[in-house]
Amino acid sequence: NAGVTQTPKFQVLKTGQSMTLQCAQDMNHEYMSWYRQDPGMGLRLIHYSVGAGITDQGEVPNGYNVSRSTTEDFPLRLLSAAPSQTSVYFCASWDSGNTIYFGEGSWLTVV
Amino acid sequence: GNSVTQMEGPVTLSEEAFLTINCTYTATGYPSLFWYVQYPGEGLQLLLKATKADDKGSNKGFEATYRKETTSFHLEKGSVQVSDSAVYFCALRGGSYIPTFGRGTSLIVHP
Repeated sequence: NAGVTQTPKFQVLKTGQSMTLQCAQDMNHEYMSWYRQDPGMGLRLIHYSVGAGITDQGEVPNGYNVSRSTTEDFPLRLLSAAPSQTSVYFCASWDSGNTIYFGEGSWLTVV
Repeated sequence: GNSVTQMEGPVTLSEEAFLTINCTYTATGYPSLFWYVQYPGEGLQLLLKATKADDKGSNKGFEATYRKETTSFHLEKGSVQVSDSAVYFCALRGGSYIPTFGRGTSLIVHP
């Protein structure tokens, strides 16, 4: 009964470091996405995927890469972390039905 | 493109007060509409949904009616509790299957 699992929950990075936020879902959903949540800005879409091997950019893709080699996994890579990427990151998955399922979030601080 | 506009917060109420959080949308066709709730330190959870005009979604005492003529999906609750303090997000999903979220409205309920 895992749903959407994100790791790590908390991370501190130094400027210029790279890292990967992991996201896995066990519901066989076609669609997955990454959002960032900043105060006063709501949820902003970073990247999304409509199936294995298919990804596309969202509203704020710069500085992030994604891949979708399997249906279950959708990792988000920060190539060279910047303080502006300090945020809370949420992974979500859904299928052609209605409900969107979210992970519990990853709190990232870049110093 | 699709968009969701919700009232800015925070909304501050006393326990047992009546709650309304306004949400209006712009979309082509007939999107599905959602309200999500985010408790402190957690991810977003589905609160209620409606998939066609005049449908009423309800859960935990919250209600919202899909009004196509006014393109609205306002969230209401007759008597709020301290435990309802959270951030509420209005969202829609149309034919592209990529959801669009509002900026969120923070609700603070005082004893």
